[in-house]
Amino acid sequence: EAGVAQSPRYKIIEKRQSVAFWCNPISGHATLYWYQQILGQGPKLLIQFQNNGVVDDSQLPKDRFSAERLKGVDSTLKIQPAKLEDSAVYLCASSLLWGGTTDTQYFGPGTRLTVL
Amino acid sequence: GDSVTQMEGPVTLSEEAFLTINCTYTATGYPSLFWYVQYPGEGLQLLLKATKADDKGSNKGFEATYRKETTSFHLEKGSVQVSDSAVYFCALSLNDYKLSFGAGTTVTVRA
Repeated sequence: EAGVAQSPRYKIIEKRQSVAFWCNPISGHATLYWYQQILGQGPKLLIQFQNNGVVDDSQLPKDRFSAERLKGVDSTLKIQPAKLEDSAVYLCASSLLWGGTTDTQYFGPGTRLTVL
Repeated sequence: GDSVTQMEGPVTLSEEAFLTINCTYTATGYPSLFWYVQYPGEGLQLLLKATKADDKGSNKGFEATYRKETTSFHLEKGSVQVSDSAVYFCALSLNDYKLSFGAGTTVTVRA
């Protein structure tokens, strides 16, 4: 079974530029998550989708971050414009059902973003 | 708010040594507790979990027991191998199903 795919793996941009990350979850997984992991910290949930609807985006900085999951499959996360503090690893995860505690989240390898 | 505090690293051990990584939590309800592991160059993966008090999660020789009285979920392994070198994250989840992670503990096992 193929895992969660993410691209690109690495991205370096100047502040105020825009960037987009792509995630393809495990086939058939209804729930998709985007996390931000700043160096030395644990991952922090940015947004959770169930199929193509948003379940939780309470920690997404909506003035600069946006995410979509068209057709309930793959997803893109965009930052526009980027700030220095956005430097982090962006993790995508998916789970089979509705994201309950019995539903394991499977993580992709992440995209490492450096903002200069 | 709900949070997890785990032992700071890095931790360096010799092969076959005993490993303990401490994890304590603060939560308004009764969370489920998890340990995730991130091997070099790979994504996070679930190592073990426990969903109620006194449950013991176990996998790959690792164990952790959900202790409600001490709000802890310490990770242990009796004899580590070089292949156990990784970053370990403790996490909790409440009714909203969000995972809240600790800061991670880097473990290096020397041959």
